[in-house]
Formats: sequence, structure tokens, C-alpha cells
Amino acid sequence: EVQLVEFGGGLVQPGGSLRLSCAVSGFIVRNDYISWVRQAPGKGLEWVSITYSGGSTYYADPVRGRFSVSTDNSKNTLYLHMNSLRVEDTAVYYCVASRVGSYDRHWGQGTLVTVSS
Amino acid sequence: NFMLTQPHSVSASPGKTVTISCTRSSGSIASNSVQWYQQRPGSSPTTVIYEDFQRPSGVSDRFSGSIDRSSNSASLTISGLKAEDEADYYCQSFDTTNHEVFGGGTKLTVL
Repeated sequence: EVQLVEFGGGLVQPGGSLRLSCAVSGFIVRNDYISWVRQAPGKGLEWVSITYSGGSTYYADPVRGRFSVSTDNSKNTLYLHMNSLRVEDTAVYYCVASRVGSYDRHWGQGTLVTVSS
Repeated sequence: NFMLTQPHSVSASPGKTVTISCTRSSGSIASNSVQWYQQRPGSSPTTVIYEDFQRPSGVSDRFSGSIDRSSNSASLTISGLKAEDEADYYCQSFDTTNHEVFGGGTKLTVL
């Protein structure tokens, strides 16, 4: 069964840092496609990053240079490292995965990040 | 980069058929696969169509996807509308630099 579980969200001050985790079962993080997508309160979906098999990661312009992705293959977990957080980064962050070569995508339940003083 | 434009809202009565459009602003709609996601209130999104017209296992065949090169758009059609179909729907595709692009979302109301 495919399962994506995000955790690590919370309240952080502007300029602060946070690390989100996406624990994956049913996929292999180093082999498959995994994205982060966020949704600000009352707004639409916004792409954050995508990591392809082989480890290549691409970032959306608003987060490039501040966010980075890493993986722990032993835990089959993907991490989103968020630095220099801004109020506008406040959102629910979703982990989204699909098998290599397919875009039949599975979504996690999301984790809320609130950036506020 | 390009944008995907969706209508803000659509509505239809139970049992009817509704179509949601997703128009690509530049470049061909056929260049990259289009996915469609359903998000019910208070829930995370789920995939209802991938790779233009493919349906994930478990998704009702009342959902269908297509692309139209002449209008440079993709469409999601829901037939035999049910109350449970009331949700926000998002289209998504990729650009040539492996970036994802989302449409703004369409709120479907079942009257």
C-alpha cells in the first residue's frame, strides 16, 4: 500500500528554519518522483520542488536558494529543509509521489507551516 | 514559462455532465502531460486523471480527460454528476525546465 506521511510542521518566526519530513511506503525515494506542493490558507496549489530518480531536484523561483531537499534512503524518507522563512511561506505542505515514468501521483495528508512573529 | 488558466467556478445539477477547461498560455498543450486533482473541503488532493486521459485505479469512469490542440487546452469531464463530486479541481503540467505548473483551480458546485 502506498502511504506518504508528512511531519515537522509548526510555528516559526520570520527568518527561522524548519525541516519537514516525508516518510514513504510503497515507493522507493531514490528511484521515484517526489514533489513538494504547498497550499496557503484559502488559496490554490503551488509547486515547491520535484526530485527525480537519480537525485536531480528542481525548485520553484520563490523558494530557490532558501529551500533544499535531501533523502535518507535507509529510512525511505525525503526532507524539505526550509531556511530564511517568510510570512508568505505559511501553508500546508504536501508530499506527492509517483513511480518513475508515470504521473499517477499519490498525495500525503499535509503538514501546516505557520511563519509568524 | 507558461500559465494554466481554469474557470473560477462551474456548477451543474446531479446527473448532468460538466466540463472544466485548462488553457495553456504558450507552448503546446500536447508537449507535456496534464494531470487533474480533486480536493474536497478539508482534505488533501487526490489524482483523478494523469497523463492527459489516464484514470488511476479506483477512480470512477465518470471522470475523463482529454486535450484539444486547436484550443491549446485540456479538459476534465465528469458525467452523471453526484453530490460527492463537489470539490475544487486543479490541472497541472510541466514546463521544459522540469518545473511544475498548476492551474488556479475550479470550484465545482453540485446544485
